[in-house]
Amino acid sequence: KQEVTQIPAALSVPEGENLVLNCSFTDSAIYNLQWFRQDPGKGLTSLLLIQSSQREQTSGRLNASLDKSSGRSTLYIAASQPGDSATYLCAVGRGFQKLVFGTGTRLLVSP
Amino acid sequence: GAGVSQSPRYKVAKRGQDVALRCDPISGHVSLFWYQQALGQGPEFLTYFQNEAQLDKSGLPSDRFFAERPEGSVSTLKIQRTQQEDSAVYLCASSLALRFGVYNEQFFGPGTRLTVL
Repeated sequence: KQEVTQIPAALSVPEGENLVLNCSFTDSAIYNLQWFRQDPGKGLTSLLLIQSSQREQTSGRLNASLDKSSGRSTLYIAASQPGDSATYLCAVGRGFQKLVFGTGTRLLVSP
Repeated sequence: GAGVSQSPRYKVAKRGQDVALRCDPISGHVSLFWYQQALGQGPEFLTYFQNEAQLDKSGLPSDRFFAERPEGSVSTLKIQRTQQEDSAVYLCASSLALRFGVYNEQFFGPGTRLTVL
């Protein structure tokens, strides 16, 4: 059974810092990995999608990498801003596209 | 519409009541998913439709949970005889298609927060 772990569970940083969120998964036979952002009381917003054949994806200040062989992904956020405060979830997809999610990293960026 | 919509946004039910949660996917999206998110946890897969066909219902926690998508568009998740442990946010997601194993990004709705008293 696929298990996804995210470390740290919570992170508090001052504005402007660069930071890294970690995601690990136990079964490397995945089709894709997706990073989401969730604001309190809201649904999930897709940030980056990495297909299994890719190593990384970039969007603005966000960069996500994927190492299937080691079962790891990282989400790098450059020059963090208070508006980045949210819960970040990673999810891996395999078979009928269903996603298996981690429990998330709660990020707080202070002004 | 522009995105996935869900209704109601909030639902309070007394234990033992039946509830129905609605999902309107993005127009033209073939695949539709339901997930359950307990407080402080990541979403967990419930069931998946491709058009009107329910291809995977392995995540439904009990036979009290039932989902349908009769015309391949709007979907309804029904929970019979609700229990307190059913309290959670129910998320719906849609994606464009599954073609030759190419994954398509899932787009999520805002969710329905169900509270069972």
